[in-house]
Amino acid sequence: NAGVTQTPKFQVLKTGQSMTLQCAQDMNHNSMYWYRQDPGMGLRLIYYSASEGTTDKGEVPNGYNVSRLNKREFSLRLESAAPSQTSVYFCASSVSSGGNTGELFFGEGSRLTVL
Amino acid sequence: AQSVTQLGSHVSVSEGALVLLRCNYSSSVPPYLFWYVQYPNQGLQLLLKYTTGATLVKGINGFEAEFKKSETSFHLTKPSAHMSDAAEYFCAVGSDTGRRALTFGSGTRLQVQP
Repeated sequence: NAGVTQTPKFQVLKTGQSMTLQCAQDMNHNSMYWYRQDPGMGLRLIYYSASEGTTDKGEVPNGYNVSRLNKREFSLRLESAAPSQTSVYFCASSVSSGGNTGELFFGEGSRLTVL
Repeated sequence: AQSVTQLGSHVSVSEGALVLLRCNYSSSVPPYLFWYVQYPNQGLQLLLKYTTGATLVKGINGFEAEFKKSETSFHLTKPSAHMSDAAEYFCAVGSDTGRRALTFGSGTRLQVQP
């Protein structure tokens, strides 16, 4: 019972480098999300995908792009990393594709440091 | 628009004491409210949720929360703290309209003293 799997768990980048965070869920969920967690700020939504084939911006989308590759996979790309993107990134999924009333299932997080 | 305010970024209690973590929300539509817990180096997991119906909601590990519309609050309580309750707790709000994602509060770190 893998649930939501994120890779990599840790990554160090230099300013200007690019990378992609991968996320896959095996629960047949419709919706998937990317949040970032910073001390004292809780979780802030970067992008979400309410259903396969759709993506929408969240609160803090600047500097990121996403791809909903298929129903299972939702990747987050940093094209040109900046120190302000140092954070812990969480992928999550939920059953519902309508509204935001359902439980989110989270991965274990990816800790990214940008030097 | 929706928002969540968690009062107190750190709360410390003694083992066996009452746990009270405060959450106030703002929502222009009927809210769906959640409490999540995060143990060190892990993702978040659901403690309990309020959607409709009974305003007192019971969750896992002996936690409960009461939805008070008049106070726009959804405080989390547990009668007797256990060492294993030490973690970070997040309140979140959603709805069945609008943006299809939860809005989280800034979190409260609970410390349990022996």
